[in-house]
Amino acid sequence: KQEVTQIPAALSVPEGENLVLNCSFTDSAIYNLQWFRQDPGKGLTSLLLIQSSQREQTSGRLNASLDKSSGRSTLYIAASQPGDSATYLCAPSRGQLSFGAGTTVTVRA
Amino acid sequence: ETGVTQSPTHLIKTRGQQVTLRCSSQSGHNTVSWYQQALGQGPQFIFQYYREEENGRGNFPPRFSGLQFPNYSSELNVNALELDDSALYLCASSSPGQGADEQFFGPGTRLTVL
Repeated sequence: KQEVTQIPAALSVPEGENLVLNCSFTDSAIYNLQWFRQDPGKGLTSLLLIQSSQREQTSGRLNASLDKSSGRSTLYIAASQPGDSATYLCAPSRGQLSFGAGTTVTVRA
Repeated sequence: ETGVTQSPTHLIKTRGQQVTLRCSSQSGHNTVSWYQQALGQGPQFIFQYYREEENGRGNFPPRFSGLQFPNYSSELNVNALELDDSALYLCASSSPGQGADEQFFGPGTRLTVL
C-alpha cells in the first residue's frame, strides 16, 4: 500500500518568500505524480503533473521535481502571494491517486 | 470544455439511510474515480470506473457501490449510512493514454450523517 508523507504539515510565511513543500512516498513504481491545491471545503485543483520519466515540471511560479527512485517530490513556489494560501497535496499514481494529509500554507500580507 | 461537475453540493442524512451522489466527467474523459475525504485528512480512493466497468477498488466495504453510464457520468451509492461516512466526496475524471492520466476533480459533495 502506498504511504504518502508531506512535510511540513503547516507553513506560515511573509509575502514574497519562496515556498518549499516536500512529499515522500513508499512505493516508487508509479506512473506519474500530481500536485494539487485545495481551498477550504472545495475540490482539488491540479497544479502540475510529472510523468514517471520526468525529473521536473514547471508552470509559472511553480516548479515540481521528482526523484522516483528515492520516493521524493518537491514543490517550489516562487515569490509567494496571499492568494497562494491553501492546502497543497501531492499524489503519486498507479491509475489511482494516493494522498497524504497535505501541507497547509498561509502567506501573510 | 466543460469541467467535472457533482451533485448535490451538500446533503444531510440520518444513520441507516441510503444516498446517491452523482458526477459528470469532463468532456472526452472515459474514466471516473471516487474519493472520500474526511475532515483534516487527504482523500482516500474508493473505486474507479473505466468504460462502465469497475477498474480498481480501495479499502471500502461493499455498501459503497457505483455505476458508470454510457456517457461516462457516474454514481456513488452508499447504503446503511454510518456516522463515519460524513465526509467530502470527490470525483475525478481522466482519460488514460491522453495526458498521462492526469485527473481533474469536481467541487465535491459534502455529506453529513446524523
